[in-house]
Amino acid sequence: DSGVTQTPKHLITATGQRVTLRCSPRSGDLSVYWYQQSLDQGLQFLIQYYNGEERAKGNILERFSAQQFPDLHSELNLSSLELGDSALYFCASSFEPGHRTDTQYFGPGTRLTVL
Amino acid sequence: AQSVSQHNHHVILSEAASLELGCNYSYGGTVNLFWYVQYPGQHLQLLLKYFSGDPLVKGIKGFEAEFIKSKFSFNLRKPSVQWSDTAEYFCAVNAYSGAGSYQLTFGKGTKLSVIP
Repeated sequence: DSGVTQTPKHLITATGQRVTLRCSPRSGDLSVYWYQQSLDQGLQFLIQYYNGEERAKGNILERFSAQQFPDLHSELNLSSLELGDSALYFCASSFEPGHRTDTQYFGPGTRLTVL
Repeated sequence: AQSVSQHNHHVILSEAASLELGCNYSYGGTVNLFWYVQYPGQHLQLLLKYFSGDPLVKGIKGFEAEFIKSKFSFNLRKPSVQWSDTAEYFCAVNAYSGAGSYQLTFGKGTKLSVIP
């Protein structure tokens, strides 16, 4: 158990819908990262937050957005869902993203299925 | 931008065989290197990491990795694999990406299947 929690574990929805994935970082960690893992694209970095502010952006679609709240939990919002958005979404957290020895610890993931 | 290559997509071994998974990265500056493992249906777990010092790093479950700077490589090894090592293995590089940030870049992963 890494200490990073994610809810829900599984999510099944229809095309065109909107969903919210939630992540709570390890105690003491200030930074949260979101990744998408699919069979064809592998593990793709989506976005990073640090202490409530967006820090870095990866291959995140405009239909997707995220935020980090004052209690440091984060939510990833996926809208206008398409079949191709079906994937595992992982959250990771770390303590010092500005330090080169920073280590990310991953949560259990949310499996999203879009029908 | 940095990139990470894992040349083997799928490796199949018998139990007790030795394992070496290749990882090469491209980045000219100082890097930190990681191997993560993802068991079937589970999340990524940290196997080992290299920051500095001894280039031979020991991790959990009998795994080790060697950083060879001249070859930009960080290969993962285990002398004798077990069926329970069946998983997908990801190499990752943490490198400076500007504006006080470091970015972790993953390779595409290597699936290891161990046959009893």
